[in-house]
Amino acid sequence: AQSVTQLGSHVSVSEGALVLLRCNYSSSVPPYLFWYVQYPNQGLQLLLKYTSAATLVKGINGFEAEFKKSETSFHLTKPSAHMSDAAEYFCAVSEGTSGGGADGLTFGKGTHLIIQP
Amino acid sequence: NAGVTQTPKFRVLKTGQSMTLLCAQDMNHEYMYWYRQDPGMGLRLIHYSVGEGTTAKGEVPDGYNVSRLKKQNFLLGLESAAPSQTSVYFCASSLRGGGTEAFFGQGTRLTVV
Repeated sequence: AQSVTQLGSHVSVSEGALVLLRCNYSSSVPPYLFWYVQYPNQGLQLLLKYTSAATLVKGINGFEAEFKKSETSFHLTKPSAHMSDAAEYFCAVSEGTSGGGADGLTFGKGTHLIIQP
Repeated sequence: NAGVTQTPKFRVLKTGQSMTLLCAQDMNHEYMYWYRQDPGMGLRLIHYSVGEGTTAKGEVPDGYNVSRLKKQNFLLGLESAAPSQTSVYFCASSLRGGGTEAFFGQGTRLTVV
């Protein structure tokens, strides 16, 4: 069975500072990994995804994430935070049907990113 | 370019009432999903469909039914609403399963009183 743990329900950084949002996963098969962003009162938008190609994945809005199999992690980073980055961020894992479970995304509980001026 | 459209956007129900949430996608995607989002819980999969005429249970299917009579539509039904079903419901679609991107609707905020 697949699962996702996001460390920190709230993360606060200053504008211009490094953003680091942590995600650890559990999967019985090589996983697909995703980061989604949700702005207030909106649906989820894909930031980036890992599908077993390059371990360093670049996404939209300057975000990137590195897949580390040995640490079962997929942390999201951005070198310099902007006020517009304030949102809820979700890490998600999918095994497809290879893992024997439902063919959908399993989400972490989310991290609310706060940007201090 | 509508993408995934959910109807309605807001609804208040009394306990025991029934309702249907409609999801429509115009991207010719095979897979469609219904999730619920609750504070501090992330999104949890209710039911999903891998093609027209198919449905399958997700993580939290109890109290919900779904139908996929047409490829572009995925309906979520609540036969007898309960306060525990107060939530924000999201529909999503993807071309396939596995590592393909899921596109989400704007959500339906449902309150059961």
